[in-house]
Amino acid sequence: QQQVKQSPQSLIVQKGGISIINCAYENTAFDYFPWYQQFPGKGPALLIAIRPDVSEKKEGRFTISFNKSAKQFSLHIMDSQPGDSATYFCAASRANQAGTALIFGKGTTLSVSS
Amino acid sequence: GAGVSQSPRYKVAKRGQDVALRCDPISGHVSLFWYQQALGQGPEFLTYFQNEAQLDKSGLPSDRFFAERPEGSVSTLKIQRTQQEDSAVYLCASSLGSGPRAPGYTFGSGTRLTVV
Repeated sequence: QQQVKQSPQSLIVQKGGISIINCAYENTAFDYFPWYQQFPGKGPALLIAIRPDVSEKKEGRFTISFNKSAKQFSLHIMDSQPGDSATYFCAASRANQAGTALIFGKGTTLSVSS
Repeated sequence: GAGVSQSPRYKVAKRGQDVALRCDPISGHVSLFWYQQALGQGPEFLTYFQNEAQLDKSGLPSDRFFAERPEGSVSTLKIQRTQQEDSAVYLCASSLGSGPRAPGYTFGSGTRLTVV
């Protein structure tokens, strides 16, 4: 059973447009929801993260929207740039107890065309 | 070093061979995680170390997979009698604390294992 479901699988956006990636989770014990960015040949790098006690978090051009009742969260990339072209993963984990691993979605490949 | 270092970057193994993958975490990082990332998929948890203690190995897919961190720093993931389904990128992550929200939770660039 996939605990974190991510969509779409791939996304093409014009330069300057808004990229939106969605995730849904099953386990209500999850309380940390990060987004990771991965370039080819590199490991995932933390982009932005949210706790369920807030509905939105913004850092620069990146915003996470969180809907606790629907068990959904999304990443919005404003003013998308060609340099944003990468694979994005949503993830979730339980409380910050020792050894809690991240549960990742399957990823979204974003291409920003110039 | 400045980041998590993994070696080798690429490994081609014949089916049935044993392989050893190395992870050098950031100096002083207590926690170390191994993940497996199949092509086109998200990383999946394999095992977790806190210092030299392996506290969780629930994600290891079979008894052919073995990990160690004898001195609480460098870790080695060993795969015995490799199979084609073991082909993947193996990622290592380390952090100062014990969970994903801990400061400095950083992934290495991974080792791409191809079993032929």
